[in-house]
Amino acid sequence: DAGVTQSPTHLIKTRGQQVTLRCSPKSGHDTVSWYQQALGQGPQFIFQYYEEEERQRGNFPDRFSGHQFPNYSSELNVNALLLGDSALYLCASRRTSAAGANVLTFGAGSRLTVL
Amino acid sequence: GENVEQHPSTLSVQEGDSAVIKCTYSDSASNYFPWYKQELGKGSQLIIDIRSNVGEKKDQRIAVTLNKTAKHFSLHITETQPEDSAVYFCAANKIIFGKGTRLHILP
Repeated sequence: DAGVTQSPTHLIKTRGQQVTLRCSPKSGHDTVSWYQQALGQGPQFIFQYYEEEERQRGNFPDRFSGHQFPNYSSELNVNALLLGDSALYLCASRRTSAAGANVLTFGAGSRLTVL
Repeated sequence: GENVEQHPSTLSVQEGDSAVIKCTYSDSASNYFPWYKQELGKGSQLIIDIRSNVGEKKDQRIAVTLNKTAKHFSLHITETQPEDSAVYFCAANKIIFGKGTRLHILP
């Protein structure tokens, strides 16, 4: 059973460009959350998607947007990239309606470098 | 907003000794406290969690304690082994994470 898969694993962009990161949740999971982890820091919550809608959002600008598809997979889009957007972007999934619904399963992340 | 402080940022212990990592949280309404282990190239894995109606939970060599009055919780790893070397993150609920502790197990 594959866990959470993210793509791409690494990518390099330049300032002002746009990026799309993708996430496939663990089988049976329906809720996807995205986190930004800067070097030496803990994950910072960006937003959470459930039933194809953004349900909760952290303190990130509108340049960060997302989408969830009917198959529960998700995309994170970042527009007008800044140097400070360089980070590891983590996707985590969980099953909302189940015992242990708090338990998140994380992917290995997509490392974005903005030059 | 809610904040989670984690200490220490780096911890080195001799193999076989115990390691303790501490976190404090600010929101008294927080009711779920997971600990994650992050290894390079791998997804962060939940290693243990505790809910606010419990003061202590143990799973083999790993234990977590919670003091709701003081708003802090701790991870305890006993009989440390080389494979315990990793970065550990505490969190309050599913959203607010500490900055992490890099644990080195010395041979």
